[in-house]
Amino acid sequence: DAGVIQSPRHEVTEMGQEVTLRCKPISGHNSLFWYRQTMMRGLELLIYFNNNVPIDDSGMPEDRFSAKMPNASFSTLKIQPSEPRDSAVYFCASTLLAGANNEQFFGPGTRLTVL
Amino acid sequence: QKEVEQNSGPLSVPEGAIASLNCTYSDRGSQSFFWYRQYSGKSPELIMSIYSNGDKEDGRFTAQLNKASQYVSLLIRDSQPSDSATYLCAVRYSGAGSYQLTFGKGTKLSVIP
Repeated sequence: DAGVIQSPRHEVTEMGQEVTLRCKPISGHNSLFWYRQTMMRGLELLIYFNNNVPIDDSGMPEDRFSAKMPNASFSTLKIQPSEPRDSAVYFCASTLLAGANNEQFFGPGTRLTVL
Repeated sequence: QKEVEQNSGPLSVPEGAIASLNCTYSDRGSQSFFWYRQYSGKSPELIMSIYSNGDKEDGRFTAQLNKASQYVSLLIRDSQPSDSATYLCAVRYSGAGSYQLTFGKGTKLSVIP
């Protein structure tokens, strides 16, 4: 079975450019999470969706960040304009919500470098 | 502010020894607790989950939960060099519709051959 798929795996861009990260959750999962991981701050939740609807975006750092989930099999995280402090590894994770036992499966991540 | 605290390490243990990893959390109403392992350059993968007080064993791994003291721990018996990784503690907090996890910053474990 295919796991969570993310693209691109690596992205190097210049400050001010738009960056779009993509995620395909595991088929049948109804919840999707976007995380950012840095050495300083660890793994932080940015936003999550239930049944394609954004539930909590309080972790999105500022208006430069936006996320969409147009259907159950695709989500994007966009940064516009990008800044050097956005450099991090961005993970997407999905799960099938079923009470307390909702293991989150992580994608391989996108390593973003903003110069 | 919901917080999950872990000692960043590195924690070094000799091969064959028991590695003990600890985690404390701030919200008494927390319901579910998870340990993820993350190898360098890879994504986190779930190794243990625990929901009630006491011990839960799975192979060489034992998770321990004490809700009164608000801590959860992970013991790795007969540690192997392949266990060298960063271990992330994650907590699911209580509340209607609260499905997100809050992660600690992780403890780096190094198993010395």
